[in-house]
Amino acid sequence: TQLLEQSPQFLSIQEGENLTVYCNSSSVFSSLQWYRQEPGEGPVLLVTVVTGGEVKKLKRLTFQFGDARKDSSLHITAAQPGDTGLYLCAGAQSGGSNYKLTFGKGTLLTVNP
Amino acid sequence: NAGVTQTPKFQVLKTGQSMTLQCAQDMNHEYMSWYRQDPGMGLRLIHYSVGAGITDQGEVPNGYNVSRSTTEDFPLRLLSAAPSQTSVYFCASSLGLAGRWVSTDTQYFGPGTRLTVL
Repeated sequence: TQLLEQSPQFLSIQEGENLTVYCNSSSVFSSLQWYRQEPGEGPVLLVTVVTGGEVKKLKRLTFQFGDARKDSSLHITAAQPGDTGLYLCAGAQSGGSNYKLTFGKGTLLTVNP
Repeated sequence: NAGVTQTPKFQVLKTGQSMTLQCAQDMNHEYMSWYRQDPGMGLRLIHYSVGAGITDQGEVPNGYNVSRSTTEDFPLRLLSAAPSQTSVYFCASSLGLAGRWVSTDTQYFGPGTRLTVL
């Protein structure tokens, strides 16, 4: 059973369009992170959200953590070809010293010029 | 800082062979981990370590061994390679705190090792 469901799995859009990627779960997370991964490289952290309802902005990217801390969204305004990549959400559940960071399967975004 | 480094970048093995994937970090991070990434499966945790001398299993540990003799290095050993272990392997590290993983820490990933087992 996939703990974190990301949608859509694939997204191909034209430069300048807006898009939203979703990360949903039936479980509560103490925090949630979004990563971007480019071909042949490891994931790179974009943002960490901790508080239910929290909204963070990173230039044209807006991240929101759901009020119940079970879901999150990533909105990109005026997408550019440089935004192309695999976007991964990763949720953390409290567990003391236990490592409980669970990754979604990712959304592969292609922005065409 | 070099960050997280992994060697080799690519590797082809025959079934039954053993090998060690190397991972090193120069950020004095307590927490280190190994993931495998397969198409349609996302990143899955293999093993992790909260500090030198301390390791534990993740979600998919079978067929892999790890050790942590120093803060900097966290090698992953494949004991007897199988085709099911064909994957891209990523090492990651994060700061940690007093032997514990901190969920809000940034995970720094290496560039990955692409392994094919024939």
